[in-house]
Amino acid sequence: GIQVEQSPPDLILQEGANSTLRCNFSDSVNNLQWFHQNPWGQLINLFYIPSGTKQNGRLSATTVATERYSLLYISSSQTTDSGVYFCAAFKAAGNKLTFGGGTRVLVKP
Amino acid sequence: NAGVTQTPKFQVLKTGQSMTLQCAQDMNHNSMYWYRQDPGMGLRLIYYSASEGTTDKGEVPNGYNVSRLNKREFSLRLESAAPSQTSVYFCASSPRGNYGYTFGSGTRLTVV
Repeated sequence: GIQVEQSPPDLILQEGANSTLRCNFSDSVNNLQWFHQNPWGQLINLFYIPSGTKQNGRLSATTVATERYSLLYISSSQTTDSGVYFCAAFKAAGNKLTFGGGTRVLVKP
Repeated sequence: NAGVTQTPKFQVLKTGQSMTLQCAQDMNHNSMYWYRQDPGMGLRLIYYSASEGTTDKGEVPNGYNVSRLNKREFSLRLESAAPSQTSVYFCASSPRGNYGYTFGSGTRLTVV
C-alpha cells in the first residue's frame, strides 16, 4: 500500500513564527488531506488538496502531485495552533485514506 | 449538533472481555470508518463501510468485527479484548471515500 511520511516529527515554535510541515507519499494519489488534532484529541479537516495551493486564514497548503509531496504552511503561529498535524493520502484503488505519522507542534507564548 | 457521535468516551476492559463501540452520523454520509490511534503514530484503518450493506477490512482488522446497521450507524466489536488493543478509537464518515471526512471525538479504551 501507499506510504505516507511526515517531517519533522516535532516542532516547537515561538508565537508569531512561521513554519512549514512536509508530507511525502510513495505513489500517485487521488486526494491529499491535512488534519489538525487539537490537544483534546479532536480531528479537524483543514484542507482537501489533491493538487495546487489553497489558503484558509493563516494556514495554506500546496500539493505537487507529480513530485509526490505536500506542504502545510503556518504563518504568524498562535498557541491555538498547537496539536498534531496529519496528512492523509487517498488512492482510489485501495479505497481508503492512509495517514502519516504526524507532526507534533507546540507554539509557546 | 450535526456530526459523528461515538459512545462510550472511555472504557476499561479486562483481558478476554467483549464490548461494542457505537458510532452514529447524521450527515447522510455513505461511507463510514473505524480507525485506531496509538501513541506517537498516525491513524490506522481497522474496517470501513463504503456504503450501507458493505464492509471491508483495513490495515489492522484482526481481533475486530464490524456491523453497518443502517446508513447512520457503524459499530465495532471486540470479541475477546487483548492488551494490544489498548488504543484510542475513532469513527469517521464521508460522503464518499476520497474527501469530506468528519471524525468523532474518540473512545479511549484500556485493556488490562
